[in-house]
Amino acid sequence: KAGVTQTPRYLIKTRGQQVTLSCSPISGHRSVSWYQQTPGQGLQFLFEYFSETQRNKGNFPGRFSGRQFSNSRSEMNVSTLELGDSALYLCASSLSGREKANSPLHFGNGTRLTVT
Amino acid sequence: EDQVTQSPEALRLQEGESSSLNCSYTVSGLRGLFWYRQDPGKGPEFLFTLYSAGEEKEKERLKATLTKKESFLHITAPKPEDSATYLCAVQAADSGNTPLVFGKGTRLSVIA
Repeated sequence: KAGVTQTPRYLIKTRGQQVTLSCSPISGHRSVSWYQQTPGQGLQFLFEYFSETQRNKGNFPGRFSGRQFSNSRSEMNVSTLELGDSALYLCASSLSGREKANSPLHFGNGTRLTVT
Repeated sequence: EDQVTQSPEALRLQEGESSSLNCSYTVSGLRGLFWYRQDPGKGPEFLFTLYSAGEEKEKERLKATLTKKESFLHITAPKPEDSATYLCAVQAADSGNTPLVFGKGTRLSVIA
């Protein structure tokens, strides 16, 4: 079974630009979560989508947004990039519906975003 | 606010030298505690889920245990390939599906 796929693997952008990251979950997984990972803060939750609806949102500014498509694939967008947005962005999928609340997250290998 | 604290931040072991990693947590009702392993340049890889105090799970040289305030990841006779960052995360019990809260990890180096 194919794992979680994230594209692109690396991105270099300039301050003020915007960026879109893509995530394809494991087949059959309907929940997709996004995390930002930095050396200082560790993994911080951005948002979660389930059946095309945002179910949870972390404490990030509105410049960070996402969406999920009918095939469960997800994208996240960051507008007006700042230097502090440089990080590894991780996508994770799970079976989690209301009936599978304990199913673990399965992560992709991330997109490394560098903002200059 | 749910919190997870992992210690030590970094640990260096000789091959075969057993040790334990600690994960202390504060959560308003625990739905599950998760352990992950992360290799450089890769995403976290799921290892274990623990649900209630007293529970234990094992996988090869790793054994995870859980109390009401902390979890331990015991590594028995580690090998160099066990070198990685180990992450602990908790999920709070809620009527919904609350997100995982992660600790900052323990960076383990096993020297041959």
